[in-house]
Amino acid sequence: GAGVSQSPSNKVTEKGKDVELRCDPISGHTALYWYRQRLGQGLEFLIYFQGNSAPDKSGLPSDRFSAERTGESVSTLTIQRTQQEDSAVYLCASSLYPGSGNTIYFGEGSWLTVV
Amino acid sequence: TQLLEQSPQFLSIQEGENLTVYCNSSSVFSSLQWYRQEPGEGPVLLVTVVTGGEVKKLKRLTFQFGDARKDSSLHITAAQPGDTGLYLCAGNNAGNNRKLIWGLGTSLAVNP
Repeated sequence: GAGVSQSPSNKVTEKGKDVELRCDPISGHTALYWYRQRLGQGLEFLIYFQGNSAPDKSGLPSDRFSAERTGESVSTLTIQRTQQEDSAVYLCASSLYPGSGNTIYFGEGSWLTVV
Repeated sequence: TQLLEQSPQFLSIQEGENLTVYCNSSSVFSSLQWYRQEPGEGPVLLVTVVTGGEVKKLKRLTFQFGDARKDSSLHITAAQPGDTGLYLCAGNNAGNNRKLIWGLGTSLAVNP
């Protein structure tokens, strides 16, 4: 596609439920990133994929968070047993390669509200 | 822990005014990026600065990287309502996009 696409754009879920957030990166981009942006806070790095591998999972806040990428394309971020503090915008981004000279393109985000 | 502090946190001005926002750190960065994020959208890259003292212009926006590569500023001339948004700076010294250090942003509102 022309840009990074994320779905759903908005999700309201009950505490304790599982949610899946989807990201379609720009076609051909090998690097894919997930960030969390909570109200009044900066972008928080969650996980990075190079191809289908996740060499850096250091930002995942707990074992309730997991992510996968298949076909060097679509990625899914899964949050199990959601908690109210998980409420945030989850941003996906991609770049052609992971090096710092490669522009990162962000999706519009998935706004998650846990009630 | 590396931090990027942005100031001011909020800024509300009238159309036509000039403004400067700042991004400061005690750490040295090999490069620094500025993004603008509009409500309901993801951040969009405006510019990357890599050389100490570098100045880049993007229409009415002027970006400067400090000589010591620890700080940066963004100056907007004759602000317009379309400039409204959250301006984020992000520093990199690891050569990899996943290691970007993000500031909290300056939320700018330009009133017609």
